[in-house]
Amino acid sequence: NAGVTQTPKFQVLKTGQSMTLQCAQDMNHNSMYWYRQDPGMGLRLIYYSASEGTTDKGEVPNGYNVSRLNKREFSLRLESAAPSQTSVYFCASSEGGIGSYEQYFGPGTRLTVT
Amino acid sequence: AQSVAQPEDQVNVAEGNPLTVKCTYSVSGNPYLFWYVQYPNRGLQFLLKYITGDNLVKGSYGFEAEFNKSQTSFHLKKPSALVSDSALYFCAVRPQAARQLTFGSGTQLTVLP
Repeated sequence: NAGVTQTPKFQVLKTGQSMTLQCAQDMNHNSMYWYRQDPGMGLRLIYYSASEGTTDKGEVPNGYNVSRLNKREFSLRLESAAPSQTSVYFCASSEGGIGSYEQYFGPGTRLTVT
Repeated sequence: AQSVAQPEDQVNVAEGNPLTVKCTYSVSGNPYLFWYVQYPNRGLQFLLKYITGDNLVKGSYGFEAEFNKSQTSFHLKKPSALVSDSALYFCAVRPQAARQLTFGSGTQLTVLP
């Protein structure tokens, strides 16, 4: 069981470039999430997918798009990167959305936008 | 909207001493409460959760947390700290009817040998 995997681990972009962060889970979880982590701010939810075929905005969705490709995969796209999007991005999954389910996190992608 | 406060950015404790990492929350209705730990350059790992029932919850690696409804707190505790417990700890809350989990800003725990 690999759990939650993310690619790439590191990325440097120039302002205005685009990229897609990939996430996959092998735990047959229904719900998946994208967070960003900034110093002193904890984790903030960007988008989530409660189940295959659905996506919803979180706390900080501006500048991002997501695709729930299938039950296993949930990608995050930056269409035109900005320096404010420099952050560490975490993907997570959980068995369900509503309920006491804990979330399982990937190792993160460290993104720098210059 | 729900919120979580971790009032201490940094907690230092000597190895073998008890440790406490504080968390208070604000939420409408009954909450689910979680503690996660993050080691350097790693993702978050689940430690324990409060759902309902017994106010003292036991979790991984000897950690426990006490739910106090009147003080809206969910402090993380361990009777005897280890150097290997040094990490960043996050408290999180979700109302029972909601999908979104809200995290605190994190507390850096350093256990001194």
